[in-house]
Amino acid sequence: DAGVIQSPRHEVTEMGQEVTLRCKPISGHNSLFWYRQTMMRGLELLIYFNNNVPIDDSGMPEDRFSAKMPNASFSTLKIQPSEPRDSAVYFCASSSTGNQPQHFGDGTRLSIL
Amino acid sequence: TQLLEQSPQFLSIQEGENLTVYCNSSSVFSSLQWYRQEPGEGPVLLVTVVTGGEVKKLKRLTFQFGDARKDSSLHITAAQPGDTGLYLCAGGPGAGSYQLTFGKGTKLSVIP
Repeated sequence: DAGVIQSPRHEVTEMGQEVTLRCKPISGHNSLFWYRQTMMRGLELLIYFNNNVPIDDSGMPEDRFSAKMPNASFSTLKIQPSEPRDSAVYFCASSSTGNQPQHFGDGTRLSIL
Repeated sequence: TQLLEQSPQFLSIQEGENLTVYCNSSSVFSSLQWYRQEPGEGPVLLVTVVTGGEVKKLKRLTFQFGDARKDSSLHITAAQPGDTGLYLCAGGPGAGSYQLTFGKGTKLSVIP
């Protein structure tokens, strides 16, 4: 079975540029999570969707970050404009329902120069 | 804010040795999950413990949830190089809730 698929796996861009990260959750899962992982702060929840609706975006660091889930099989996390402090590994995870075990993708390693 | 502290932060041991890593909090969690993350990959769930005092075994790995549901430990017997990775604990606040609080992890290296 296909797991959570994220793209791109690596992204290197200059500050000020727009960055779009993509996620395809496991088919049939109705909950989707975006996380950011850094050495300093560990794994932090950015936003949680249930049935394609954003339920909790309190972890989104600032207005430069936005996330959408136009349908059950696709979500994006966008940073515009990007800054060097946004450099991190961004993970998408999905679960069958909100409180069930989460399955993580392999992440996007983002470097903002 | 619920926090999970993991210790040690780094651990390097020889193949065949035993080890224990810890996950501690001042808060009570309804459940606690352990994940292993290998370089370049996402975390993979190993186990979920939900009852205070619960012990679960997964081959050479033994997981224990503290009686007060504030702490947990992971013991590995006869560590192997394949055990190398980042071990993360994550606490769940309550039934029906999606929110997981992650610790920063213990980075384990098992040297052949």
